[in-house]
Amino acid sequence: QKEVEQNSGPLSVPEGAIASLNCTYSDRGSQSFFWYRQYSGKSPELIMFIYSNGDKEDGRFTAQLNKASQYVSLLIRDSQPSDSATYLCAVRAYNFNKFYFGSGTKLNVKP
Amino acid sequence: GAVVSQHPSWVICKSGTSVKIECRSLDFQATTMFWYRQFPKQSLMLMATSNEGSKATYEQGVEKDKFLINHASLTLSTLTVTSAHPEDSSFYICSATDGRKSRNYGYTFGSGTRLTVV
Repeated sequence: QKEVEQNSGPLSVPEGAIASLNCTYSDRGSQSFFWYRQYSGKSPELIMFIYSNGDKEDGRFTAQLNKASQYVSLLIRDSQPSDSATYLCAVRAYNFNKFYFGSGTKLNVKP
Repeated sequence: GAVVSQHPSWVICKSGTSVKIECRSLDFQATTMFWYRQFPKQSLMLMATSNEGSKATYEQGVEKDKFLINHASLTLSTLTVTSAHPEDSSFYICSATDGRKSRNYGYTFGSGTRLTVV
């Protein structure tokens, strides 16, 4: 069983729509949850993190965490073509010394 | 913000030679560094975790004698690919964090090194 699972996509949304990206994790003791964006051939860049149940908003991005369901999601409002990238969910393990990535979801925002 | 410098950004080497990749934290102390490998259209695969002053912990299936990791200081970790073969061609990325900070301290990534073994 993978530590972190994501739907590989591609997820296609029209410009201006809301893109919803989902992630599940297996380690119930996981502490922190991160969303990264990776453009082709580039390193991942941090979008936001969340550690408490509920929603956390930052600009057009909202991260949602449900520890009981071991589920974390990322909503992108008013999607732009420049948001087209692969989005990686990452989970920081209980002992802080492991950091696992999901396989990533490719997002295509069509003009 | 936290910056991690990774060099070289790309390298081509002959089969059988060794290649060293450096990862430096520029404005913070990296108590922990991670090395990842990413094949085309695949996700990041954690290779090993290194804590400053300690031996690296390798993930299952990663040969520690082939991928030598040194983390001798709080600002520098190196990955040496020994006796490189074409199947080692990949995108190698390091990330670093200060494990003494709060649990929400982010992981900063280097810019990656594209290794091509010919």
